[in-house]
Formats: sequence, structure tokens, C-alpha cells
Amino acid sequence: QQQVKQSPQSLIVQKGGIPIINCAYENTAFDYFPWYQQFPGKGPALLIAIRPDVSEKKEGRFTISFNKSAKQFSLHIMDSQPGDSATYFCAAKDTSYGKLTFGQGTILTVHP
Amino acid sequence: GAGVSQSPSNKVTEKGKDVELRCDPISGHTALYWYRQRLGQGLEFLIYFQGNSAPDKSGLPSDRFSAERTGESVSTLTIQRTQQEDSAVYLCASSLEPGINQPQHFGDGTRLSIL
Repeated sequence: QQQVKQSPQSLIVQKGGIPIINCAYENTAFDYFPWYQQFPGKGPALLIAIRPDVSEKKEGRFTISFNKSAKQFSLHIMDSQPGDSATYFCAAKDTSYGKLTFGQGTILTVHP
Repeated sequence: GAGVSQSPSNKVTEKGKDVELRCDPISGHTALYWYRQRLGQGLEFLIYFQGNSAPDKSGLPSDRFSAERTGESVSTLTIQRTQQEDSAVYLCASSLEPGINQPQHFGDGTRLSIL
């Protein structure tokens, strides 16, 4: 019940495309859903996060869509750029506890 | 340096040896977390410290793993009698407090290789 399932494992798009990464969870106690971006040799960096009382959140080119009834959320990257090539992780947290539960990650490649 | 600092950045050791990994959190952050990231995998929670409360050790994989934190500062993760399956990147994160909307800020990790 603690798992967060992320798909796809890898994704290749052309510059300007809109990659979409999906995550699903089971634990209804989760109430905070961040997305992290990780470059090789670096730690994950927070991109954007959402609470379940909101169905969509946009920050710059990054948008989270949240479907509480389906227990799913997704990341969309608008006008993707080669510099967006990285590994993306979704995560979930029950704010009664400290820890984040992470998805397995998606390796995104954006070709010029 | 305002970020989370981890040392060493790389550690190579022989199977059976003990290793100690260090994390300096962001100043003022009361919550500190350790995660493990195996090659090509997501992050696995290991342990979490919040102020003077008892740590949440629920993610430690075996009794060979332990961690300490002095007050609201430095933390060390110790792995005793290392095994090859311990090879991974060990990541530390800190946050202002573990509550709502407080992001966890990660260091760049210690890459541990067990020969």
C-alpha cells in the first residue's frame, strides 16, 4: 500500500514535444505529491508539488494533473528542451510522517 | 554553501568493512532524512530525524545500518560489515520541518561501492 507506481521507465521526445509521466498510488493517506528532477551525479531537486484538493498546478513549463478518485497524477512538460533531459521521480507523502515514497523514475531524453 | 552537504562524495571499500557517511543539513532545518538509491532505481527511505523526537528507523534494511544526529546538525549513517548489495548512492535531505508543503532539499549523495 506504500508503493507509488511510475510509468514509463523511459521516454524520448523531440524538442518542443510534451512528454507526460504518470504515477499511481494506493495509500489514501497520502496528501502531498511532489515531482523531482535528477541530473547524473546530482541529488534530486524539487520541481513542483501538489495537494489533493487541487486538480491541476502549473509552474512555468511544468504542469501536474491530479485525479483523486483514480489515485493518479501526472507531470506534463510543455515545449520540452534538450536541457530537460534528466530522470524524473514522482513521490508521495503522508504528512503525518516525514518520509517520501518515490516512484521508480522516468529517464527523459529530449532530442534537439 | 547554503545546500545540503554530504561527504565523502565517493567511497570504495572492501566487503566486511565498516563505513561512515556524513550529512550536513541546511542550517535551521529541523528534519533530516536518509535515502538509498540503487542503480536505475527510485529512492528508498532509510531513516528520519525530527528535532529531539525518537527517529523513525522503519526503513533501515538490517541491524548493520544505524544513524545518529547531534541536535539539529550533522548526521552520520554507519554501515557495519558491508555487503556487496549495500553498493548504492546514499542521499541525505533536510527540510524546515516535516509538515505540510515543506520541501525536502537533497544533497548530491555518497556513491558507495563495495568490492
